[in-house]
Amino acid sequence: DIQMTQSPSSLSASVGDRVSITCLASQDVGVYLNWYQQKPGKAPKLLIYDASNLETGVPSRFSGVGSGTHFSFTISSLHPEDIGTYYCQQYDHLPSFGGGTKVEIK
Amino acid sequence: EVQLLESGGGLVQPGGSLRLSCAASGFTFSSYAMSWVRQAPGKGLEWVSGISGSGLSTFYADSVKGRLTISRDSSKNTLSLQMASLRADDTAVYYCAKERVVSCGGGSCPFDYWGQGILVTVSS
Repeated sequence: DIQMTQSPSSLSASVGDRVSITCLASQDVGVYLNWYQQKPGKAPKLLIYDASNLETGVPSRFSGVGSGTHFSFTISSLHPEDIGTYYCQQYDHLPSFGGGTKVEIK
Repeated sequence: EVQLLESGGGLVQPGGSLRLSCAASGFTFSSYAMSWVRQAPGKGLEWVSGISGSGLSTFYADSVKGRLTISRDSSKNTLSLQMASLRADDTAVYYCAKERVVSCGGGSCPFDYWGQGILVTVSS
């Protein structure tokens, strides 16, 4: 099984700050890496697919980079509505998710 | 508009069985692979099972293999998850999820639409 390790597990930032999350895969997953946002009590929402592609309708302040085993997700300017938990997910082999990063407003 | 609506959750005793359903609409159901993803209370996401658009290929996480069975009925646009020999650690919100691209195999593509989730509680 491919293990996905996200860091940090939580962060607190001010509105307008640049926020970054890292996801490490236990083996090479190419670019088969997605990022989801989940708000409390809601289903996850796809933000970034194939490491760096913005899903339709997702604001351009969200971005992703990486390949192989090292991936990053960035919110260029944090908005109040961006609070929630963010998950990376690989699908090179059977899907697996990272542990999540909870984003809060300072 | 794509809609996925889960049903069939509830409280079940350890060792018991339950069948979840997911009613799909707004897309050509038979063209898209589907998956079940679960989330234990206060925990992260765990992929459980996937099925190809044709229904001929199915995939399972090791944690549920042999106890959970995924299936689909394209005549009714319905995805199902038959759950047996349930354990306390199967307690979770179960989401059905649609894969993003036609011809994905079942757990082999991003999930672009999710249902609202249904709670399964395994407890005596």
